[in-house]
This record gives sequence, C-alpha cells and structure tokens, in this order.
Amino acid sequence: EVQLVESGGGLVKPGGSLRLSCAASGFTFSSYSMNWVRQAPGKGLEWVSSISSSSSYIYYADSVKGRFTISRDNAKNSLYLQMNSLRAEDTAVYYCARVNSTFGTYYFDYWGQGTLVTVSS
Amino acid sequence: SYVLTQPPSVSVAPGQTARITCGGNNIGSKSVHWYQQKPGQAPVLVVYDDSDRPSGIPDRLSGSNSGNTATLAISRVEAGDEADYYCQVWDSSSDHVVFGGGTKLTVL
Repeated sequence: EVQLVESGGGLVKPGGSLRLSCAASGFTFSSYSMNWVRQAPGKGLEWVSSISSSSSYIYYADSVKGRFTISRDNAKNSLYLQMNSLRAEDTAVYYCARVNSTFGTYYFDYWGQGTLVTVSS
Repeated sequence: SYVLTQPPSVSVAPGQTARITCGGNNIGSKSVHWYQQKPGQAPVLVVYDDSDRPSGIPDRLSGSNSGNTATLAISRVEAGDEADYYCQVWDSSSDHVVFGGGTKLTVL
C-alpha cells in the first residue's frame, strides 16, 4: 500500500524557517517524481515545487522561488521542503504527492494527509 | 502563465447529472486531470488523462476535453459526491503544474 506521511509543520514567525519531510512507503520511491502542493485555509490547491526521481529536474512556483528548496533522499525514501523567509501568505496545509508521469501527461496519483504550517507573530 | 478557470460552485439535485467545467486556452491539446476533495481530507484523483478513471472510482464519474473546455460529469449524483473538485494540467511551456481554482459541488 502506498503511503505518504508528512511531518515538520508548526507555528513559525514571519522571516523564520521550517523543514518539512515526507516519508514514503509501499512503492519504489526512487522511480517517481514527487511534488509539494499547498492549500491555504479556505482556499484552493496551489502547486509549490516538483523534483524528478533522480533530482535532475527541479521546478518551483514563482511564489516560493528563491525561498523554498525541494530535495529528496532516495536511500531514506524521503522528500523534503526547506522553507526560508516565511511569510504570512505561506500559511497552508502542505501535501506531498506522488507523480504519475508518462509521455505528455503529469498527475498526482497519491497524496499524503498534509501538514499544517502557520506563519504568524 | 497558463490559467485554468472553474466555476466556484455547482448545485444539483440527487439523481441528476452535475457538470463541472474547466476552461483554458486550447486545453483540448493538454491532458486534464481531476481531483475530489472532501472537507478535512487530502485530494483524491478521480479522472486522469481527460477521461480515464483510477481503480475504485465509479463509472458515474466521467471526463471529456475538447477545444477550450474540459468537463467532469457526475451522473446519478449522490449526497456523498458533495465535495470540492479541481482540474489540473501540466504546462510544458513553463514546466509548472497548474490547478483550477476549484468548484464546490452542492447536492441539494
């Protein structure tokens, strides 16, 4: 059974940092691209960042570029999101999601339960 | 950047068919995927590649995509279908994932 379990969320002050983790199990983690998607309270889904299976390709939403860093450790079956210079507008539930990607398509077939990040003084 | 437009809300009586649209420039040339999200839960993939369903998703849910509009149709709507629905594409020109703003389906 595929499982994605996020951790590391919490309350942080504006300008602070936080590192999210996503522990994967039930599949060959090193074979899949992974993403972070967030959802502000009462709002829709917002894509944050993606990383390919071997970390060769990394992309960020403009709203987090230069502040967030995505990474992975295939030996530990783990995905990470280092978040620096946090702002109030980064407050959201952060989901990790597994990518199913074939030629011309790219979608999320499994999601974690999410971890809440609150940026407030 | 590529934009996907969804109606904020759709209402339908039980047993009827709900249609949720997702508009985008020449979206028919892209693969569209749909997610269902119930309150307090993570999103769940319900349609991928325009019209395919993951295992376990009932055939009451179907998708189509042509021109500038993709559509998720839910036939014989039940109270349990009440949820937020999001469309999603991969924008190859920017290498970004794009979500629609979401549609809240209300079963009357």
